[in-house]
Amino acid sequence: SQQGEEDPQALSIQEGENATMNCSYKTSINNLQWYRQNSGRGLVHLILIRSNEREKHSGRLRVTLDTSKKSSSLLITASRAADTASYFCAPTYNQGGKLIFGQGTELSVKP
Amino acid sequence: NAGVTQTPKFQVLKTGQSMTLQCAQDMNHNSMYWYRQDPGMGLRLIYYSASEGTTDKGEVPNGYNVSRLNKREFSLRLESAAPSQTSVYFCASSPSKARLNTEAFFGQGTRLTVV
Repeated sequence: SQQGEEDPQALSIQEGENATMNCSYKTSINNLQWYRQNSGRGLVHLILIRSNEREKHSGRLRVTLDTSKKSSSLLITASRAADTASYFCAPTYNQGGKLIFGQGTELSVKP
Repeated sequence: NAGVTQTPKFQVLKTGQSMTLQCAQDMNHNSMYWYRQDPGMGLRLIYYSASEGTTDKGEVPNGYNVSRLNKREFSLRLESAAPSQTSVYFCASSPSKARLNTEAFFGQGTRLTVV
């Protein structure tokens, strides 16, 4: 399967805490992308990490990539209620052009 | 900037009816996608178009057809709607193929109910 698998499926935290979600994939990738989906809306791109990168930051987001373990993590620091959403990873492969998503992690941040 | 525009936003169909979901992007993107999302599920790729004139099946193509009319427009057709096609449909576009390090932009979705 080309899709990534997110873990956990659901995560509930208090405002101000950090949230970590993970993505595992099966074969060598070209890049891995993270997206956010607010309830009922279209996905919004958060960050793209290339296979030769190990860590990337964007504001309160930190993404890591471990190609030896075929996994990536998305860390949201100092979470806010507005971060409540579903988060999806999409690994892309050297032979592929398609963007395929896993089931996602549903994050709930309580005020 | 309109981005990716989907029409209609909502639709109710009777079993056996046909309809076409429209998608247009104004960003001069090469690649376009159609996904469906069922309650509590992730997005499943129905069809993909890498460039004008080309289409490719995704994970769940059965019951659907697509047309890449031109670079801007990518339509999804249900020839004979079934209740199992009740879902939210999302269209997306990206400058080029996913492996070329480009992000995708999504429309706001079409909520389709088949009764």
